Amino acid sequence: DTEVTQTPKHLVMGMTNKKSLKCEQHMGHRAMYWYKQKAKKPPELMFVYSYEKLSINESVPSRFSPECPNSSLLNLHLHALQPEDSALYLCASSQESGVGDTQYFGPGTRLTVL
Amino acid sequence: AQSVAQPEDQVNVAEGNPLTVKCTYSVSGNPYLFWYVQYPNRGLQFLLKYITGDNLVKGSYGFEAEFNKSQTSFHLKKPSALVSDSALYFCAVRDGMDSSYKLIFGSGTRLLVRP
Repeated sequence: DTEVTQTPKHLVMGMTNKKSLKCEQHMGHRAMYWYKQKAKKPPELMFVYSYEKLSINESVPSRFSPECPNSSLLNLHLHALQPEDSALYLCASSQESGVGDTQYFGPGTRLTVL
Repeated sequence: AQSVAQPEDQVNVAEGNPLTVKCTYSVSGNPYLFWYVQYPNRGLQFLLKYITGDNLVKGSYGFEAEFNKSQTSFHLKKPSALVSDSALYFCAVRDGMDSSYKLIFGSGTRLLVRP
């Protein structure tokens, strides 16, 4: 089973709102990722968590705040977003199995910022 | 810096015909290459990867990819296309040898299989 789940599927929020995206995997993977994908563009990495610790932050604005409460869960807290932050937010996980490691993606959360 | 390029924005093929989606890479060190497919309003599904070994890699849904070191290419292929193969395809390369790494994706190629 290579399933990564994400909730909600769709989210509409105003620029003053606070909301959170949730990602969950039960494959025993030790690394989890957030990617952002704009329309008709490839995904771009935002954050990587390895063994529940933030290991990569791709200079993401502080209005995006990741959290990894345990090895199965990854959250992305959103606050004071801008309309240009509207995108598909993809979560992924991997086993950290060396150079052959494979990232498995969830279905994404489509975020619209008004 | 690691990078991949997908030279075609769109590939059109008739159902039953063979298909090829092109990808070239530029890396320092050994290349670790991946293909993913994305259906409309969906996440990315892993198809196959090249790490080492045989240059012909077999993957999911009848897809395969040919690694060519001299041409720095990793083209995705399928002997007989299905209408249901119509989707957006991304080639990707691993960037970083640490346990924490990222995937660098190509710009994507839209495959359209006509009946």
